[in-house]
Order: sequence, then C-alpha cells, then structure tokens
Amino acid sequence: DIQMTQSPSSLSASVGDRVTITCQASQDISNYLNWYQQKPGKAPKLLIYDASNLETGVPSRFSGSGSGTDFTFTISSLQPEDIATYYCQQYDNLPITFGGGTKVEIK
Amino acid sequence: QVQLVESGGGVVQPGGSLRLSCAASGFTFSSYGMHWVRQAPGKGLEWVAFIRYDGSNKYYADSVKGRFTISRDNSKNTLYLQMNSLRAEDTAVYYCAKCRTTGTSAFDYWGQGTLVTVSS
Repeated sequence: DIQMTQSPSSLSASVGDRVTITCQASQDISNYLNWYQQKPGKAPKLLIYDASNLETGVPSRFSGSGSGTDFTFTISSLQPEDIATYYCQQYDNLPITFGGGTKVEIK
Repeated sequence: QVQLVESGGGVVQPGGSLRLSCAASGFTFSSYGMHWVRQAPGKGLEWVAFIRYDGSNKYYADSVKGRFTISRDNSKNTLYLQMNSLRAEDTAVYYCAKCRTTGTSAFDYWGQGTLVTVSS
C-alpha cells in the first residue's frame, strides 16, 4: 500500500497568512494526488485534483503543486471560513489512501 | 444538481449485518465509478470499496475484504454496501462518493454520510 505522510498534523495561523501543507507519498504516484477540505460534521469537499487543478467553484486562494512523491497545498491568504481539516489522497494505486489530515485553526 | 443520499445506518451488534444504500441523482449514474469511504469517530478518512461504472470490477480495502460487498443497480441509480460480520472497529460514518471522471479519479461529490455503530 502507498503511505501518505501529511504534515503538519495541525497548525494555527492568522487571517491573511499564507498556509502550506505538505504530503509525501511512499512511492512515485505521478500527479494522482487530490486535496480535500472537511469541516466539522460535514462531508469532505474536493478542492484540488491531479495535484494542481482547481475544482470548479473553489476560490483561487487554494492551490496545489508537486509530482512524484512530494506535494504541496497552499492557502495564499487564510480566511475564517477556511477553518477545517485538509486531507491529501492518492489514487495511483488501489487501495486508495489518504494522508492523516491537517487541522487548520485561526490564531 | 448532483445529489448523493446515504441511508441504512444504525446500531448493530458485533457479528451482525447492515446494508447501506446511496441514492444518486443529477448525473448519469451508470457512467461513473463509485466509492465508499468511512471515518471512525474523531479519526481520518479510510477508503473502503470501489465499483466500476458497470459493476464489472470491484475492489476492497483489506480491512473489509470478505465481509463487505459493494454493488450497484444502475436502473435504480443506487449504490449499495452490504456489511456482514461487523466488528466494533467498523463503527464509523460511511460516505458514498462519485468519481470525477469515468475512470478512477478524484471524488467530486460526496453524500452526507450515514453512521454505523457496532456495539453490544
């Protein structure tokens, strides 16, 4: 199975800050990497697909980059509504695996 | 608009069975692969199972292989998860999710989830 190591597990930042989350795959997954946002009590929401593509309707302050084993997710200017847990996910190989999640809070 | 609505969750004793359903609308259900994903209380996301658009291939996480069965009825636009020999560690919110493309891909729509609690 491909292991997805996501860091940090939590972070606290101020409104307007740039926030960066990393995800490392245990083997090359090309660009088969997605990012989701999950707010408490809600289903996950797709933000970024195939490493760097912004899903329709998602604000442009969210972005993703990377390929192979190392990936980055960025919020360019943190907003209060961005408080959530963020997950990376690989779909290069079954079983599909998720990172452990990053809980983002406002300082 | 795309909607996925899960049902069938509840409280079941260890060793028991449940069948979850996911009613789909707003898209051509028969053209897309579908997944089940679960989330134990306070924990992260765990992929459970995948079924191709036509039901021809099914894949499972090792943790549920041999106990859970994913299926679909394209005439009813409904996805199912038959869960047998349930264990305490199967306690979770179960989500159905739609593939973004006709192949394996990102999950672009999710249901609201249904809670399964395995407890005596």
